[in-house]
Amino acid sequence: EVQLVESGGGLVQPGRSLRLSCTASGFTFGDYAMSWVRQAPGKGLEWVGFIRSKAYGGTTEYAASVKGRFTISRDDSKSIAYLQMNSLKTEDTAVYYCTRVSKYCSGGSCYSVDYWGQGTLVTVSS
Amino acid sequence: DIQMTQSPSSLSASVGDRVTITCRASQSISTYLNWYQQKPGKAPKLLIYAASSLHSGVPSRFSGSGSGTDFTLTISCLQPEDFATYYCQQSYNTPWTFGQGTKVEIK
Repeated sequence: EVQLVESGGGLVQPGRSLRLSCTASGFTFGDYAMSWVRQAPGKGLEWVGFIRSKAYGGTTEYAASVKGRFTISRDDSKSIAYLQMNSLKTEDTAVYYCTRVSKYCSGGSCYSVDYWGQGTLVTVSS
Repeated sequence: DIQMTQSPSSLSASVGDRVTITCRASQSISTYLNWYQQKPGKAPKLLIYAASSLHSGVPSRFSGSGSGTDFTLTISCLQPEDFATYYCQQSYNTPWTFGQGTKVEIK
């Protein structure tokens, strides 16, 4: 059974940093890209970014709203994905979901988010 | 960025009804379109990928269609457990973007 468990959320002051972790189990972690998606209270879903598998270079992509402040990384030996969040703003307050990304064809854009963690709440407030 | 627009934003329906939700992309995205279901307080779940392929374990009453800019999600016979919010999402290019959501409520 695929499981994704986020940790590290909490209350943080504006301008400070926080690191979220996502511990995966039930699949070969290194074979998959991983992404983070967030949801502000009462709002819709917003893609934060993703990290490709090592087979595809392990490169990252980010939403403009977090680029330069957030960094996604992975430790395939521990089956953990990370989201390092720096210079946090009040508008970063959200539930952050760790997700597994599946590539369903050989083309460049055929991705789906097929499993989600339960989410962890990050509140940025003074 | 590619904008995804869903309609309607909400709808009321009865158990047994046929429900259709539409999603329009601001530019052609081929069939790189996914649909998700989210219930209150829970994480979203994948329903449909590649516009029309049913994710493993998803009931066959869910179906998707479309290509280019216009897509639909259809629930053929609404069940009590289907009352939720539905989101479309494009993976044609980054940033991946979601529609604003369609809330399906009980009539």
